[in-house]
Formats: sequence, structure tokens, C-alpha cells
Amino acid sequence: DADVTQTPRNRITKTGKRIMLECSQTKGHDRMYWYRQDPGLGLRLIYYSFDVKDINKGEISDGYSVSRQAQAKFSLSLESAIPNQTALYFCATSELVADTQYFGPGTRLTVL
Amino acid sequence: GDSVTQMEGPVTLSEEAFLTINCTYTATGYPSLFWYVQYPGEGLQLLLKATKADDKGSNKGFEATYRKETTSFHLEKGSVQVSDSAVYFCALSDAGNTPLVFGKGTRLSVIA
Repeated sequence: DADVTQTPRNRITKTGKRIMLECSQTKGHDRMYWYRQDPGLGLRLIYYSFDVKDINKGEISDGYSVSRQAQAKFSLSLESAIPNQTALYFCATSELVADTQYFGPGTRLTVL
Repeated sequence: GDSVTQMEGPVTLSEEAFLTINCTYTATGYPSLFWYVQYPGEGLQLLLKATKADDKGSNKGFEATYRKETTSFHLEKGSVQVSDSAVYFCALSDAGNTPLVFGKGTRLSVIA
């Protein structure tokens, strides 16, 4: 079984809808991250969490929110989706901040 | 702030050709440096890393040497294969509680 899983893997939704992307990990890591990948822009950090009680904004947090329900679960929400949020979203975990990150398989989100 | 600049792609090579993907960085401290690879339809995975100056990371025939004097961490492979076709990301992590900073990625296509 994969160490970092993301659900759903693909999602098509309409402008204005609320969307939640979920991430679960079995690696026992405290640090978890949400990234967005767009062609030509690489990976951009949305939010990150050092433990259940610690949430931090990343480079592009506007329009997104997160919830760290447990050490193993970190969810990303789009309260009112817009077309320019169409992208590939990745969750990642690490044992330490300045350390190897382990990525999930990604969620491809399309907002019409 | 910290940043990573890597050569723009796409890079197209014939099988068995020599590969170099350039990566330079800007950091205030003494960062750890990483190369990640993303195969089609998958999340990123660590390819290699180096944690201090003059360290050489290596894996799967790929190598990169941490050059503090030129602030570089270029990725090389002596003989690429079709299976190396992927997107390659250079990244750094500075000291403290700062998450990884990624370059924009370089797409490599290897043709038989």
C-alpha cells in the first residue's frame, strides 16, 4: 500500500462549488504539505503543517483553506472554486522540515 | 529569499546520450540540495540529495555535486534511457523551519 494517498484522483467541478481534497499518510510524519503544480510554473506551496496544532500559509494560500484532522490526515478545501484553480494538487510529508519529502500521486482538479 | 533556477526544457535526447540539467541556487545559509523526479502520471520522488559542500549525491546512474563556490547542483547521467523520460526538479532546504523550495522543473524526453 502507498505511504501517501490522495482522494479523489480526478475531479471535475463547476465554478462556485466547494471542493475538498484529502490526504492520508502512514509514514508517521508530523510535517505535511499541499502543493499546486501548473505547467511551466513548477510546484508552489499552498499550506503546510508541522503538527496537528500548527498550520502555516505558503506562497499561494488565497482561495484555499486546510484542516489537519490528525497526524495522518491533512485536507485541502476550495471554498468557492474558480477556473484558475484548475491544476494538479500534491500532498507531501516529511519527518523533518529540511528533509526528504514523500509525495502522494496527485489529484487532477478541473474547474469549469 | 531562497530560490532555485534550473534550465528550461524541454530537453530531447537520443538514447545513450549524455545528460546535464543545470541548477543554481540562492540561499542565505548552507542549504541541503535535492533532485526529484516525476514520471508521467505520478507524484514526485526523491532521486538524490546532498547536504553539504562537495558532497556528491548519486542514484540510478544520476549524479550531482554540491558546489558551494558556484552555488550549483547540476544533474548528470552518462547514458540516458527511454525510461528516464520524466520531469526533473531541483530543490533546496535552508536551515530552520522553511519547507523545500523547488525549481520550475525540466522535462526530459529520451527517444530510441
